[in-house]
Amino acid sequence: DIQMTQSPSTLSASVGDRVTITCRASQSISDWLAWYQQKPGKAPKLLIYKASSLESGVPSRFSGSGSGTEFTLTISSLQPDDFATYYCQQFNTYSRTFGQGTKVEIK
Amino acid sequence: EVQLVESGGGLVKPGGSLRLSCAASGFIFSTYNMNWVRQAPGKGLEWVSSIGSSSSYKSNADSVKGRFTISRDNAKNSLYLQMNSLRAEDTAVYFCAREAASGSPHFDYWGRGTLVTVSS
Repeated sequence: DIQMTQSPSTLSASVGDRVTITCRASQSISDWLAWYQQKPGKAPKLLIYKASSLESGVPSRFSGSGSGTEFTLTISSLQPDDFATYYCQQFNTYSRTFGQGTKVEIK
Repeated sequence: EVQLVESGGGLVKPGGSLRLSCAASGFIFSTYNMNWVRQAPGKGLEWVSSIGSSSSYKSNADSVKGRFTISRDNAKNSLYLQMNSLRAEDTAVYFCAREAASGSPHFDYWGRGTLVTVSS
């Protein structure tokens, strides 16, 4: 099975900061990667799909990049609503594994 | 409006069984692959199971293989998860999620989840 490793696990940042989260796959997944945001008690919300495609309605401060085994999610200027946990997810033929999550906290 | 509503969660003893349901509306259910994802208390997301739009394929995470069975009834716009031989570590909120049909897979809509607690 493909394993997904996110770093860091926790990130402390201030409003206005540029934030980058990394996700590594244990083998190449081309660009079949999505990013989600989750707030406590809520379902995850899709941010990015196909590694770099922004979901409709998601603010443009969110961006994704990468292919193969290394991917990044960047928030260009952190806003108060962005403090949450972020997950990457890979899609290969028969599995859809998530990374362990990155919690973005207020510094 | 796309809606996914899970039901069937509750308290069950170790070794017991439970059947979760997900009622879909607002889209043509029979044309989408569907999934179950769970989240143990205070933990991250874990993909559990996937099923093709016509049930042509099914796939499970290793952690539930041989114990959980995913199925669907396209006539009833419903997704199911039959969970047998339940263990304490299966305690989680279970979400159903629609897999986008755009050719690049991703989960574009999620339900609110149903809580399953496995405890004696």
